[in-house]
Parts: sequence; C-alpha cells; structure tokens
Amino acid sequence: DAGVIQSPRHEVTEMGQEVTLRCKPISGHDYLFWYRQTMMRGLELLIYFNNNVPIDDSGMPEDRFSAKMPNASFSTLKIQPSEPRDSAVYFCASSTNRGGNQPQHFGDGTRLSIL
Amino acid sequence: DAKTTQPNSMESNEEEPVHLPCNHSTISGTDYIHWYRQLPSQGPEYVIHGLTSNVNNRMASLAIAEDRKSSTLILHRATLRDAAVYYCILVTDKLIFGTGTRLQVFP
Repeated sequence: DAGVIQSPRHEVTEMGQEVTLRCKPISGHDYLFWYRQTMMRGLELLIYFNNNVPIDDSGMPEDRFSAKMPNASFSTLKIQPSEPRDSAVYFCASSTNRGGNQPQHFGDGTRLSIL
Repeated sequence: DAKTTQPNSMESNEEEPVHLPCNHSTISGTDYIHWYRQLPSQGPEYVIHGLTSNVNNRMASLAIAEDRKSSTLILHRATLRDAAVYYCILVTDKLIFGTGTRLQVFP
C-alpha cells in the first residue's frame, strides 16, 4: 500500500520566495495533519483537516503560512514570503480518526532551507 | 494536554530486550497512550498504542500500569535498526510530541 507521499523531498530557496509543499494522504483517510520539526522546538502540529475542511490551525505560526485541501487526495502548505527561520522539516500525516484509537501515518517529510 | 516524562537517552546491546519507560501521572480517562519512533532522516513511525490493557503487536509490547500513570514500551530483541528516538504521547485528539528517548543499540 502506498503511504503518505510528500513532495518535494528537499527544497532550497531564497528568502522572500513563495514555497509550496505538497502532500497526498493515504486513500480513505479522512484526517490530514501538517507538522514542522526543528532542533529548537521539536515536532509541532501546525494544522489539521477533516474531510478537506480545516479544523484546527492554532499551530500555524503566522499569516505567511497557509494550508489548503482542495480534495481528499491532495493538500498544500504554502509559505509566502519565506524567511530563513522557516527552515525546517515539514511532515504530513494522515489518519482514519482524529481520536486516540487510531494511529497517524507520516510521510518522509520535506526538508526546507531558506537562504 | 497531559504531559509525559521520558528519559533523554537509553542504551542497549543488540538482541537484548529493551524497556523504555514513560510517566504520565496527569493522564485522563480518555487519553490513549501512543508510542511513535523516528529513525534518522525519516518521519515518525507508529509503534503501538493502548488504553488500559497491555498490548502486543509485531513491533513491540506495551505494558500499562494498573493506575495508568506510567507505561513501558518493550522491544523484545533490539536490533541495530531499532536505534531511534521513541516518543510516548497521550492522545485524546491530537499528537503533542515531547522530546522522546534516544535509544542507542550497540552490536
């Protein structure tokens, strides 16, 4: 079975540029989560969706970050304009349930470097 | 969200059992206990979860204290591929990652 697929795996860009990260969840999973991992702050939940609708975006750091889920098989996380402090590994995960009785399945992440 | 406490690091020799402890004294009745691990340069990987009873799967066993204020992840025979950061997380609706336990496995 195909797992969660993220692209690109690596992205290097200059500050001020728009960055778009992509995620394809596991088919049939109703929940999609975006996380960010840095050395300083560890793994943080940014936002999650249920049935393509954003439910909790309290972890989104600021207005430069936006996320969409136009359909059940695709989500984007966009940063505009990007800044060096946005450099991190961004993970997408999906699940059949928001609650505690189901696991989340993670992609391999996108390593983002903003110069 | 209730918090967990784990040792920063642990060591094991290959083919020996490993017991990774986790304290969660403020756990609520609806919190599930989840364990994930993260290998270098990879995303977190689900290991096991439980609510009240001990659980076994092909990867590990989860032993939950009777008062649910602590739990232990058991790797029955450590391999070099088990070297990772192991996260113990209490889950009601969201995963809140702590700093985890870095497990080193020596040949």
